[in-house]
Amino acid sequence: DGGITQSPKYLFRKEGQNVTLSCEQNLNHDAMYWYRQDPGQGLRLIYYSQIVNDFQKGDIAEGYSVSREKKESFPLTVTSAQKNPTAFYLCASSSRLAGVVDTQYFGPGTRLTVL
Amino acid sequence: AQSVTQPDIHITVSEGASLELRCNYSYGATPYLFWYVQSPGQGLQLLLKYFSGDTLVQGIKGFEAEFKRSQSSFNLRKPSVHWSDAAEYFCAVNTGFQKLVFGTGTRLLVSP
Repeated sequence: DGGITQSPKYLFRKEGQNVTLSCEQNLNHDAMYWYRQDPGQGLRLIYYSQIVNDFQKGDIAEGYSVSREKKESFPLTVTSAQKNPTAFYLCASSSRLAGVVDTQYFGPGTRLTVL
Repeated sequence: AQSVTQPDIHITVSEGASLELRCNYSYGATPYLFWYVQSPGQGLQLLLKYFSGDTLVQGIKGFEAEFKRSQSSFNLRKPSVHWSDAAEYFCAVNTGFQKLVFGTGTRLLVSP
């Protein structure tokens, strides 16, 4: 089945530790995205990538880093510099490049809790 | 700046009754509009989208939405709500370069 997978579903981290969230898609989509969701705030864009080996900061990139070495993978690292990392993280992908509107499809999410 | 407003944080509807969820957007150019649904602890599922053409669009699960340019609105409707429709609903607008701006969501509760 085609789709987007995120792992793990739940993740616990101690303060001061970096942690990496996985996102894989087999939809052959060019673009991938990371969003953060907090109660009552909707979704906010962290980073996005329109093509392999290229990515751009979104609205709330501070304290996060990404890489895009393969078309199907877009891991997100939450660093110790992120002040309030506890949140629900959603990965998405879409099939078109910049400047052409297309639909974003979402993975099931990872809930990160900092202890 | 582009923005999306969903004025209702919570809505409670009786099972079998009709539903309308409101969405207003602020965007200078032609908007590309989306409605997504999210069950607790899950990802977002696309319900429907408007890019151009007929302003009344049909989606999955019996939902429809109407784009009204004069009112900057894209309200979601369903004629008869089922208990399984209880979820959170998000309206979003594409601002170009694939960036989506989301509203803060409306949580739908369905009473028996």
